[in-house]
Amino acid sequence: DAGVIQSPRHEVTEMGQEVTLRCKPISGHDYLFWYRQTMMRGLELLIYFNNNVPIDDSGMPEDRFSAKMPNASFSTLKIQPSEPRDSAVYFCASSGRSTGELFFGEGSRLTVL
Amino acid sequence: GQQVMQIPQYQHVQEGEDFTTYCNSSTTLSNIQWYKQRPGGHPVFLIQLVKSGEVKKQKRLTFQFGEAKKNSSLHITATQTTDVGTYFCAGSQDNNDMRFGAGTRLTVKP
Repeated sequence: DAGVIQSPRHEVTEMGQEVTLRCKPISGHDYLFWYRQTMMRGLELLIYFNNNVPIDDSGMPEDRFSAKMPNASFSTLKIQPSEPRDSAVYFCASSGRSTGELFFGEGSRLTVL
Repeated sequence: GQQVMQIPQYQHVQEGEDFTTYCNSSTTLSNIQWYKQRPGGHPVFLIQLVKSGEVKKQKRLTFQFGEAKKNSSLHITATQTTDVGTYFCAGSQDNNDMRFGAGTRLTVKP
């Protein structure tokens, strides 16, 4: 198995631009999680899906952030408009259970200038 | 909301010394997981503890889950340079999603 695949690995954009991060979970995993990692706040859970349905989005910072999972093999995290404080590493992880072992992708490092 | 506190934030040791990181929750956890993240990498699952008072070992690593299921520790015996990285605990309350501690960054001097 190729593991969790995220793209892009690095993104540099200017404030106000739209950013879309992509994730392909491990086949057969029913749960998909989006985490954000910064030095100040550590690993924060943004949202997670079960069988493509958003279960808990209480960690999504504000309306500028949105996440979708149109099918079992693809999810997106969108930031519109982006701000410098959104600069972070965004990880996608998948699991067979909500509290099972998390398999993380390699992350998308976002820099907003 | 559910919070998992982890200490220390940083630990620098000489190769061969032991290392311990601690994880505490204000609420009872249904389970706890430990992850290791190498510099520039992504978190990698190490182990999961479920039972009160549980102790598990992986070579030089010993993981404990407290009797009250509110705290946990990871102990590394005789650290090596390959142990360098950040160690995270992640706890779950009521079998919901996993929430991560802030992590302990370990550096090892050869």
